[in-house]
Amino acid sequence: AQSVTQPDIHITVSEGASLELRCNYSYGATPYLFWYVQSPGQGLQLLLKYFSGDTLVQGIKGFEAEFKRSQSSFNLRKPSVHWSDAAEYFCAVVGNSGYALNFGKGTSLLVTP
Amino acid sequence: DAGVIQSPRHEVTEMGQEVTLRCKPISGHDYLFWYRQTMMRGLELLIYFNNNVPIDDSGMPEDRFSAKMPNASFSTLKIQPSEPRDSAVYFCASSFRQGRTGNTIYFGEGSWLTVV
Repeated sequence: AQSVTQPDIHITVSEGASLELRCNYSYGATPYLFWYVQSPGQGLQLLLKYFSGDTLVQGIKGFEAEFKRSQSSFNLRKPSVHWSDAAEYFCAVVGNSGYALNFGKGTSLLVTP
Repeated sequence: DAGVIQSPRHEVTEMGQEVTLRCKPISGHDYLFWYRQTMMRGLELLIYFNNNVPIDDSGMPEDRFSAKMPNASFSTLKIQPSEPRDSAVYFCASSFRQGRTGNTIYFGEGSWLTVV
């Protein structure tokens, strides 16, 4: 079954520093991959998605992600983190149904001054 | 344009009581999903509908859980009787299938359920 793994449960970065959140997927063919962000007490907001084509995907809020088939990865990056980026980040892949998403366990991002 | 609307946002109920969570998807969307989020299990898909028809309910934990979608603009998730282990955040989400380009799933803000 299609699944994603987020190896880091918590990550702490200083404001202004660069960020990379890891996501590894398990799927034989080209997966449909997503990154969502969840602020405390809120729902999930889509940051970006990858279906095909250019392996570097640009999203909202200055985020980008790169699909690397050779590494089965879809890591999320941001060159300079802002305090407002502190949230929970979820990687997801379209599941066997072809419609619903299977989510990773999430990575909690803490931003320090 | 309004997003996915869920109600209630917060509910505290006693064990054994019936709980009904409600969802209004984005107008025009043909897929509706119910997810549950807990610390232990993360985000789990409970059930999803296509054009108001349940397609996959394999994630529904047990017979105490039921979901309906009587029309394109309304869905309910019911727990009867509720138990403390049902305490979680329940998310409703909707999407419009756009062929091979896939679909973006839009989430509501969740219903925070506490069963005491």
